[in-house]
Amino acid sequence: NAGVTQTPKFRILKIGQSMTLQCAQDMNHNYMYWYRQDPGMGLKLIYYSVGAGITDKGEVPNGYNVSRSTTEDFPLRLELAAPSQTSVYFCASSYLLSGAGNNEQFFGPGTRLTVL
Amino acid sequence: AQSVTQLDSHVSVSEGTPVLLRCNYSSSYSPSLFWYVQHPNKGLQLLLKYTSAATLVKGINGFEAEFKKSETSFHLTKPSAHMSDAAEYFCVVSDRSNDYKLSFGAGTTVTVRA
Repeated sequence: NAGVTQTPKFRILKIGQSMTLQCAQDMNHNYMYWYRQDPGMGLKLIYYSVGAGITDKGEVPNGYNVSRSTTEDFPLRLELAAPSQTSVYFCASSYLLSGAGNNEQFFGPGTRLTVL
Repeated sequence: AQSVTQLDSHVSVSEGTPVLLRCNYSSSYSPSLFWYVQHPNKGLQLLLKYTSAATLVKGINGFEAEFKKSETSFHLTKPSAHMSDAAEYFCVVSDRSNDYKLSFGAGTTVTVRA
């Protein structure tokens, strides 16, 4: 199993450009998540999905959009890139959301995005 | 709302000496607690988790953590540090107040001296 894969690994954008960060998992997990990690900070949840066709906002959703057309894929879209979106983006997946069960999240290697 | 505070932003240890990373949590419900490790330019990897079973939790690579409800703490320890332990460590809490979504601490960077 490849686990959680993310592309690209690195990207530099100009202000106002748009791009899609790709995320895929091959573990048949229902739940998928997008986080951003800023220097000296923990991860902040951007969006999450509890299954194909169902998405919801996390803590910091402004400036981003997501879709979930299949169980495997969960792309993150930046429409008008801004310097404040310079960050490292992590995708994750889990089988369950329950706190008492196997809700371990598996993380991808990250995408390092710089907006200039 | 749930939250965690990692009490040290940086910890420096000599190889072969013990490692202690401190984490306090806040939760109004029965929390699940996790420690994740992130090596440079890598994704996060689960070290160990507490989900209301045994309070002393053993993880991978010789790490363990003890859940202390009276102190609202979940400190991570390792008896003998190895050079490969140099990484960033995140304490994470999850409970039903936030639909079991994860709340991350700010992280502790561990440096291991030869």
